[in-house]
Amino acid sequence: DAGVIQSPRHEVTEMGQEVTLRCKPISGHDYLFWYRQTMMRGLELLIYFNNNVPIDDSGMPEDRFSAKMPNASFSTLKIQPSEPRDSAVYFCASSFLGQGRETQYFGPGTRLLVL
Amino acid sequence: AQSVAQPEDQVNVAEGNPLTVKCTYSVSGNPYLFWYVQYPNRGLQFLLKYITGDNLVKGSYGFEAEFNKSQTSFHLKKPSALVSDSALYFCAVRDLDSWGKLQFGAGTQVVVTP
Repeated sequence: DAGVIQSPRHEVTEMGQEVTLRCKPISGHDYLFWYRQTMMRGLELLIYFNNNVPIDDSGMPEDRFSAKMPNASFSTLKIQPSEPRDSAVYFCASSFLGQGRETQYFGPGTRLLVL
Repeated sequence: AQSVAQPEDQVNVAEGNPLTVKCTYSVSGNPYLFWYVQYPNRGLQFLLKYITGDNLVKGSYGFEAEFNKSQTSFHLKKPSALVSDSALYFCAVRDLDSWGKLQFGAGTQVVVTP
């Protein structure tokens, strides 16, 4: 298996622009997580899905952030409009109940820089 | 609320020496505890977990962790550290209010010198 796939790996954009991050979970996994990592705040869970349904989005910082999972193979995290304080590494992770939903497999991350 | 604390920002150890990364937890009820490792420019990787049973849990890459209920600790250990073990290590606890959600510690940077 190729593991969790994220794209793009790096993104540089200007303040105010829309940013879309993409994730393909491991086939057969029924949980998908979006995290953000910064030096100041560490690793934060933004939202997670179970069977494509959002379960907990309490970590989504503001209305500028939205996430979707239209099918079991794809999820997006969108920031509109982007701000410099959104600069971070964004990770997608997946897991499946049979192995323990907390045994998460992380993608390589998308490094976002908002100028 | 559930939480974990990693009291050390960085641990320095010489190659071949034992490595210990500390973690303490605060939970109501039985804890589900985890260790993850992050190598530079990579996502986190699962190392091991404690759910129930034996207090000594063995994981990947020769790591193990000892669950101590009286001290509310879950320290990660390796008998003989390698330079390649240099990475950022995260302790985590399952959130009892939102299953599937992990509360991660701040992370401990491990530096193993040759």
